[in-house]
Amino acid sequence: NAGVTQTPKFQVLKTGQSMTLQCAQDMNHNSMYWYRQDPGMGLRLIYYSASEGTTDKGEVPNGYNVSRLNKREFSLRLESAAPSQTSVYFCASSDVRPQETQYFGPGTRLLVL
Amino acid sequence: AQKITQTQPGMFVQEKEAVTLDCTYDTSDPSYGLFWYKQPSSGEMIFLIYQGSYDQQNATEGRYSLNFQKARKSANLVISASQLGDSAMYFCAMRGEYGGATNKLIFGTGTLLAVQP
Repeated sequence: NAGVTQTPKFQVLKTGQSMTLQCAQDMNHNSMYWYRQDPGMGLRLIYYSASEGTTDKGEVPNGYNVSRLNKREFSLRLESAAPSQTSVYFCASSDVRPQETQYFGPGTRLLVL
Repeated sequence: AQKITQTQPGMFVQEKEAVTLDCTYDTSDPSYGLFWYKQPSSGEMIFLIYQGSYDQQNATEGRYSLNFQKARKSANLVISASQLGDSAMYFCAMRGEYGGATNKLIFGTGTLLAVQP
């Protein structure tokens, strides 16, 4: 049982380049999330998808777009990368109420030069 | 607005001793959930324990227990019999609310725990 998987694990981009971070879960969860983690800070929500076909902005959505491709997959796209987007990106999915525990992928380390 | 506060940036504990990691929260929601996650140096986020706001008893999971004091809005994590493998960053999180939905997590800034032999 793989849980939540993310690709790639590491990525270096030049300012202005674009890329898509991929996330997939095999736990049949409805809700999926994208977070970023910066040094000295906890995780901050970028976007989330409460169910297939829906997406909503989180706390820090600027500079990102998402696609909920199907129930399993939720991708995060940086259209024009900026150095401020250097971070570790985590994807998560959550089980049902009432607990709705979020389970995280291993993360993607992104460096934008 | 919801907020999680972890006031201990770092802590040391001797192997086999118990340690308490502090977490206070702020919310006006009558129903909420509190979580603790562990992040070892390898970077993954590992779910440890959950406490619901209406749960009558403090949550326990093996060596982890959550000291939930609702009136004081605190949800401290207690690790009993610390092991070297417990050395990691620990995050407290709350299921908060953005724009009407209720299942997003708000994280504290974390506590770095170092277990000494």
